Amino acid sequence: KNQVEQSPQSLIILEGKNCTLQCNYTVSPFSNLRWYKQDTGRGPVSLTIMTFSENTKSNGRYTATLDADTKQSSLHITASQLSDSASYICVVTRTGGFKTIFGAGTRLFVKA
Amino acid sequence: GAVVSQHPSRVICKSGTSVKIECRSLDFQATTMFWYRQFPKKSLMLMATSNEGSKATYEQGVEKDKFLINHASLTLSTLTVTSAHPEDSSFYICSARDQREGLDTQYFGPGTRLTVL
Repeated sequence: KNQVEQSPQSLIILEGKNCTLQCNYTVSPFSNLRWYKQDTGRGPVSLTIMTFSENTKSNGRYTATLDADTKQSSLHITASQLSDSASYICVVTRTGGFKTIFGAGTRLFVKA
Repeated sequence: GAVVSQHPSRVICKSGTSVKIECRSLDFQATTMFWYRQFPKKSLMLMATSNEGSKATYEQGVEKDKFLINHASLTLSTLTVTSAHPEDSSFYICSARDQREGLDTQYFGPGTRLTVL
């Protein structure tokens, strides 16, 4: 069954600290994996996209990793800011027909 | 990245009226657009896939006569909520499929908050 599981479900960290969010998937055949940031009341914004051959991708303070062998991805946020408080969604796409499977998201709260 | 816009961002309507939401891809052409619905603190739920020049494909349980989708051009898809009722109140988000430069991804609009009184 094609699934995307994210952990933790929610996370509270202090401003300035780093954190890592996890995404495990069983989607096959694999096309790409994307991380999105969704602020409350807004649409998701693309952070990174990785294909099978890529194992790391950075976007400012966000760094995503991908291990296609173990079917795991992580999103690392460095030096967190209050504005990083949001839901982070992992999305995996199957090849053929653009079938996308969404993770349930991780809600991150950054406190001063 | 790419830009996808939605209009309106918020709409309040009376029960029984119809509401149209527009989704535009501003800097690329999208043969495929998607419409999602999202309840508070929940994941996006795919409602339908909108294909330019053909009928939309609806997910199981989504009433196609209730949620009319038109994808008349490569940059515009519209969702019309017909005879809206309070239970249709929700956050509606569209996305556009981007297949440029060898990637296959999607960019989301900012969402439309629908409140039916």
